[in-house]
Order: sequence, then C-alpha cells, then structure tokens
Amino acid sequence: AQTVTQSQPEMSVQEAETVTLSCTYDTSESNYYLFWYKQPPSRQMILVIRQEAYKQQNATENRFSVNFQKAAKSFSLKISDSQLGDTAMYFCAFMKLAQGGSEKLVFGKGTKLTVNP
Amino acid sequence: EPEVTQTPSHQVTQMGQEVILRCVPISNHLYFYWYRQILGQKVEFLVSFYNNEISEKSEIFDDQFSVERPDGSNFTLKIRSTKLEDSAMYFCASSDLGFTEAFFGQGTRLTVV
Repeated sequence: AQTVTQSQPEMSVQEAETVTLSCTYDTSESNYYLFWYKQPPSRQMILVIRQEAYKQQNATENRFSVNFQKAAKSFSLKISDSQLGDTAMYFCAFMKLAQGGSEKLVFGKGTKLTVNP
Repeated sequence: EPEVTQTPSHQVTQMGQEVILRCVPISNHLYFYWYRQILGQKVEFLVSFYNNEISEKSEIFDDQFSVERPDGSNFTLKIRSTKLEDSAMYFCASSDLGFTEAFFGQGTRLTVV
C-alpha cells in the first residue's frame, strides 16, 4: 500500500518570501502521479500542481514549483513570492497509474501554511 | 469552467437516521469518487465508481454506505444509519478517461448529533 508523509504540520512565511513544503511517499509502483492540493478555509480542494513520475522535469505553475526526487521518493512544493491568499492547508497526494481505469488518491496529513503580512 | 456540485453544503442529522449526499459530477467524466475528511485530519478515500459499479472501496466503506448513479447525472452517497463518528466533510470528485486530475466538489459538511 502507498503512504504519503508530510512531516511539517504547520509552517509560516512572511508575505513575498519563499517557502518549501515537504512530502515523502512510499510505493513499489513505477508509474504514478503526485499532486499538491490546497484547501483554504472554505475547505474546497483545489489542485495546485501535478507531476507525472515518468517526467524528469519538475512541474511549475506560476509561483508554484516542485522538486521531485524519484529515487528519494520526495516531492516538495516551493511557493515563491508568497501571498496572503496562499494561506491554506496543503495536501500532498499520490495516485498510481492503472491500465484502463482511474485510481484513488492517497493523501498526506497536510501542512497548514500561514502567510503573514 | 465545468465544476462538480455537491448538495447540501451542510447537513445536520440525528444519530441513526439515513442521509443522502448528492453530487453532480462534470458531465463528460466517467469516474466518480467519494472522499471523507474528519475535522483536522487527512482526506480519506471511501469509494470509486465506474461504469455503474463500484470499482474500489476502502475499509471505511462498510455496509452502512452505498453509492448510486440514479439518473445518469447525479451521484449519491447514502449512509443508512448514521453514527456520531460519521461527522465529517464529504467530498465528491470526478475525473475523465485519461485522468489528468480529480475535480473536487466544494464538500458537504455532515454533522451527526
């Protein structure tokens, strides 16, 4: 079974600074996706960024980027130029690829990020 | 932009009562999911549904739970006899055949009293 570990329950950062959230995972699968989801106080789950395991290049989405280390099974999220609206719970998630079907997401426990003015 | 819609946003029910949580997935999606998040905890998978049948379910999804796609657009989660520990946020999600992401609804907060 896959597991996802987020070792930082809470983090804080000053507005405009950079912060990195950690995530490690354990799997014997070779083909999978990794995700970071944001959950603001409204509790909506919003996809931030996605990484396919077969891609060596790290994914980026505007101010959000990942550092994907497949051998180390590490998938950290870097948020540059932090904004107050980035304040939220951030969940790392794993999904194995299955032929002909879609698989469930396995989530970590989350990191609560607070951006201070 | 298409979205997953869940109703109601908040439901309060008495212990032992049946509840039905409703979801309207994105129209061309084929895979549907329910997840649960107890307050302050991680999001947990309950069940996935494809081609009008359950494709996978977790240990949480016991005989008290059932899912249905009654009319080709709605996707429902029924809890037959609610317990206090069923109090949680329930998320519906859907994805398409090529799965690039799971689109989540805004959630239904279920409170069992």
